[in-house]
Amino acid sequence: QIQLVQSGTEVKEPGASVKVSCKASGYTFSNYGISWVRQAPGQGLEWMGWISTYNGGTKYPQKFQGRVSMTTDTSTSTVYMELKSLRSDDTAVYFCVREDCIDSICYLGDYWGQGTEVAVSS
Amino acid sequence: QSVLTQPPSASGTPGQRVTISCSGGNSNIRSNHVYWYQQLPGTAPKLLIYRDNQRPSGVPDRFSGSKSGTSASLAISGLRSEDEADYFCAAWDDSLSNWVFGGGTKLTVL
Repeated sequence: QIQLVQSGTEVKEPGASVKVSCKASGYTFSNYGISWVRQAPGQGLEWMGWISTYNGGTKYPQKFQGRVSMTTDTSTSTVYMELKSLRSDDTAVYFCVREDCIDSICYLGDYWGQGTEVAVSS
Repeated sequence: QSVLTQPPSASGTPGQRVTISCSGGNSNIRSNHVYWYQQLPGTAPKLLIYRDNQRPSGVPDRFSGSKSGTSASLAISGLRSEDEADYFCAAWDDSLSNWVFGGGTKLTVL
């Protein structure tokens, strides 16, 4: 079955970096892009960017440009999201989600990772 | 402050029909498809409606979506206790080049 399995909880100090992994299984990895979405405690959802698992191309919203980096390892079907210069307001659950496309219109689809808690605190 | 606007809460009794609204603008809802997600406590969001009004396989037909202009709605008929969850709307925003979300609506089944 299709699964996205993420790495475990992280606790970081302000100014540090965090790298979260998302390992895909059950489908052809390079056929579907991956987005990252985060959710601060008790808050809504926020899109952090997208990576093509086919060619490594990325798309980041302006808010995160320069601070986020997404990479892919096709040999292990794993996508990584690194967030630098962490602040307390980066404390959130981070989700990877597989992108689905219909007629070249792509969207955040039905397969999500279980979420990774990242706590930023001194 | 979310780009898409949802009511923070909604409620209904079992068997009732409830509607959750999602208001946006020309660069998101009017121009692009709307998607709805259901999030049970402590779990990842689940896709409920795609392309405004389409249900993924496995989603009961009690859930339906609609869109008109810069607003969209999610309707849940025959409300059940297991529908108690947070519901989020989402759309691509052409001006921001971003996925944007509503702030979420907490549905309580009384």
